[in-house]
Amino acid sequence: QKEVEQNSGPLSVPEGAIASLNCTYSDRVSQSFFWYRQYSGKSPELIMSIYSNGDKEDGRFTAQLNKASQYVSLLIRDSQPSDSATYLCAGSSGSNYKLTFGKGTLLTVNP
Amino acid sequence: EAGVAQSPRYKIIEKRQSVAFWCNPISGHATLYWYQQILGQGPKLLIQFQNNGVVDDSQLPKDRFSAERLKGVDSTLKIQPAKLEDSAVYLCASSKAQGPGVTQYFGPGTRLLVL
Repeated sequence: QKEVEQNSGPLSVPEGAIASLNCTYSDRVSQSFFWYRQYSGKSPELIMSIYSNGDKEDGRFTAQLNKASQYVSLLIRDSQPSDSATYLCAGSSGSNYKLTFGKGTLLTVNP
Repeated sequence: EAGVAQSPRYKIIEKRQSVAFWCNPISGHATLYWYQQILGQGPKLLIQFQNNGVVDDSQLPKDRFSAERLKGVDSTLKIQPAKLEDSAVYLCASSKAQGPGVTQYFGPGTRLLVL
C-alpha cells in the first residue's frame, strides 16, 4: 500500500454542490494530515490541517479524520468555479514530521 | 511578510549539464525543504534542513543531487549531471519549526526542462 493514496479523479461537480475528496494512508504516516490546494502552474497552498479524530470546519471547508479506517477527507460546500484546482492530501511521519503527499485529485467546478 | 523566494523560475538545459536552484525562506523560518514535483504527481521531499543541518535526505539521489544551506538561511540545490527524468518543478518550502501541525509555506517553484 502506498503511504498516501487519493482517488485520482478527475472530479467534476456543478457550482453550489458539495465536493468530496478522499484520501487513505498507511501506518507509516499517522501523525498529522494536511490538505493543500494547487492551481495549475502554481505552488501548493495549505487549506487545512487535522490531527484528531473527527471533523474540523473552516468556512466552506470541512476536514474529516478517521484513524481507525485510516481515512481522511475534505468536503467543500457551495463549490465555486474558483475552487477548481488539484487537491493534495499529505500525511506526516517520523521525528522530523516529514510530509508525504498523494498524487492529488483534480477538481473542476462547472458554472 | 515576504513569502518564500526562488530563482530562477524557469530553466532549460541539455542532459548531462549542471544546474543550480536558489531559495530564500520566510524570515525566521528554521526549517527548509526541497521538493521535486513531476507532472501529475504530488511533491516528493528531497531534503529537509533544520537551520543549517540536514535532518532528512533519504530520497535525494546523492550521486547527482546536492544541497546546502549555509548560515541557516538561503539554500541551493544542484543537479550534476542532469538526466531527462529530472524534468520537474523544484519547490522550496519553509516552516517556523518542525512538529505536528506545522504549516509549510511553498515558494513559486523552478520549472526545469532537461532536453
